[in-house]
Amino acid sequence: DQQVKQNSPSLSVQEGRISILNCDYTNSMFDYFLWYKKYPAEGPTFLISISSIKDKNEDGRFTVFLNKSAKHLSLHIVPSQPGDSAVYFCAASEAGNTGKLIFGQGTTLQVKP
Amino acid sequence: GAGVSQSPSNKVTEKGKDVELRCDPISGHTALYWYRQSLGQGLEFLIYFQGNSAPDKSGLPSDRFSAERTGGSVSTLTIQRTQQEDSAVYLCASSLDAKTLGRYGYTFGSGTRLTVV
Repeated sequence: DQQVKQNSPSLSVQEGRISILNCDYTNSMFDYFLWYKKYPAEGPTFLISISSIKDKNEDGRFTVFLNKSAKHLSLHIVPSQPGDSAVYFCAASEAGNTGKLIFGQGTTLQVKP
Repeated sequence: GAGVSQSPSNKVTEKGKDVELRCDPISGHTALYWYRQSLGQGLEFLIYFQGNSAPDKSGLPSDRFSAERTGGSVSTLTIQRTQQEDSAVYLCASSLDAKTLGRYGYTFGSGTRLTVV
């Protein structure tokens, strides 16, 4: 039972354009959603998070949008840069402090120069 | 330390042998997690330690897997009688505590790539 799903295994965009990474979830008890970036041979690094009471959070070139009614979130990267090429994981935490994050399968982003 | 440290970075073992993977979390972080990433898969939760509480072992795939955390700091993940399907990158992470998890996430180590031949 996959509670967090990233249905697109890969995405390719041109440098300078917008990258949109999508994530769907099934558990309405999730209270925070997070995005992580992972380069090969490195551990994932935290990018940005959003509380379930918000619909948007922005940090520089990265913006996360949350649509609770659709149980969908997305990460927008504008403008995309070649250094953004990595695997992006969406994750969720459950209210009540179950103490762990549940991750999606990841989407590999390639930004072409 | 400044980050989460894992050792070894790579491990090749023969099927049937036992392996131990080590994680040294960020100093002062009370929560420690183990995940694994198999080829082409997402991050699979294995086990979680929070302070002195009993660990959440709900993600361990079989009784061949066990983990301990000594003195609230270093953790060791042990896999007994390794099988080829155990081949994966094993990632350790730590966080200040579970309450800040949603806002700040965890800090991951670089992982141990385990190959069972």
